Amino acid sequence: QKEVEQNSGPLSVPEGAIASLNCTYSDRVSQSFFWYRQYSGKSPELIMSIYSNGDKEDGRFTAQLNKASQYVSLLIRDSQPSDSATYLCAVRNQGGKLIFGQGTELSVKP
Amino acid sequence: EPEVTQTPSHQVTQMGQEVILRCVPISNHLYFYWYRQILGQKVEFLVSFYNNEISEKSEIFDDQFSVERPDGSNFTLKIRSTKLEDSAMYFCAGSTGLTEAFFGQGTRLTVV
Repeated sequence: QKEVEQNSGPLSVPEGAIASLNCTYSDRVSQSFFWYRQYSGKSPELIMSIYSNGDKEDGRFTAQLNKASQYVSLLIRDSQPSDSATYLCAVRNQGGKLIFGQGTELSVKP
Repeated sequence: EPEVTQTPSHQVTQMGQEVILRCVPISNHLYFYWYRQILGQKVEFLVSFYNNEISEKSEIFDDQFSVERPDGSNFTLKIRSTKLEDSAMYFCAGSTGLTEAFFGQGTRLTVV
């Protein structure tokens, strides 16, 4: 079982729609969860961090965490073409390292 | 806004040569990491560094790899004898604690 799993996509949504990105993780004791955005050829850029169960909102982004289900998601409201990128879910393990999923490619069509 | 700086942005080297990739972390960061990403693949952990020593390393980080923080500011990754399969983007990252990690812009290493 992969440590952090994401659907690779591509996920295609029309401009203005809500994009929903999902991630599951295998290590039950993980406490820190992150979403990064990566444009092609660029480095990962932090979008959101979430540490407790529930929702966390920041502008058009909402992260959701359910530790019982070992599930993290990211919602992007009012999606824009500039949101087109690969979204990386990352989980920090007990030792401190970040473990990344393979990423979900998002395409927002004008 | 402070950022993690990596040099060079692109390095081409011949197989078997040694390369040193350099990183200047954000000044208040205490934890440092190297990751790599082979083209089209996921971001993979190589090594973490805290309090001037390696805290964790992956199976990828074999005897050919080493890390140093020689002068309290730069953080380097050395690959002693490069192989074709070492071609990848290498990212340096740092964090103040076990919280968010911020990444540099990366070094593209091409081994020919």
